[in-house]
Amino acid sequence: KQEVTQIPAALSVPEGENLVLNCSFTDSAIYNLQWFRQDPGKGLTSLLLIQSSQREQTSGRLNASLDKSSGRSTLYIAASQPGDSATYLCAPGLQGAQKLVFGQGTRLTINP
Amino acid sequence: DTAVSQTPKYLVTQMGNDKSIKCEQNLGHDTMYWYKQDSKKFLKIMFSYNNKELIINETVPNRFSPKSPDKAHLNLHINSLELGDSAVYFCASSQGAAAPTRQYFGPGTRLTVT
Repeated sequence: KQEVTQIPAALSVPEGENLVLNCSFTDSAIYNLQWFRQDPGKGLTSLLLIQSSQREQTSGRLNASLDKSSGRSTLYIAASQPGDSATYLCAPGLQGAQKLVFGQGTRLTINP
Repeated sequence: DTAVSQTPKYLVTQMGNDKSIKCEQNLGHDTMYWYKQDSKKFLKIMFSYNNKELIINETVPNRFSPKSPDKAHLNLHINSLELGDSAVYFCASSQGAAAPTRQYFGPGTRLTVT
């Protein structure tokens, strides 16, 4: 059974800092991994999808890396802004099914 | 031009009642989902439909009955509501069923059972 852990659970940093969010998963037999953003009272927005054969995926100031064999992914946010404040969730996608398993998320606060 | 929409956004009801939540997507996707996010913010899949056919059922109590009248709609009916059903329910959609692809989520329905 796939279990996903995200560390830290919460993070508060001043604006402009670069930061790293961590995700670990127990079953390395994944098809891909997605990073989502959830704003309070809103749905999830897919930020990045990284295939199991890839090492990195970039979108603007966001960079996701994947080490499938060790069961780890990181989300790097460069030059953080107050608008980046949200909860970030990672979700490995299982092989052979349209199924994601979510971590509990990292609640990020960027202070102006 | 909302991609995935849900109604209602809020639902407050008493134990024992029956209620429905509706979901529609205009992305042309063939797969739709229901997720439950509990008070601890854990998000777990409940059901998945592909082309109106049930493909994932995560041992959800049979008080929960999803219905997909067509590829663009997936509704969730809940019978005999219990306090533990209080949560935020998210609908999502994606394309394809054989492998995970990017999923698009609705805004959620906050269900409160009193």
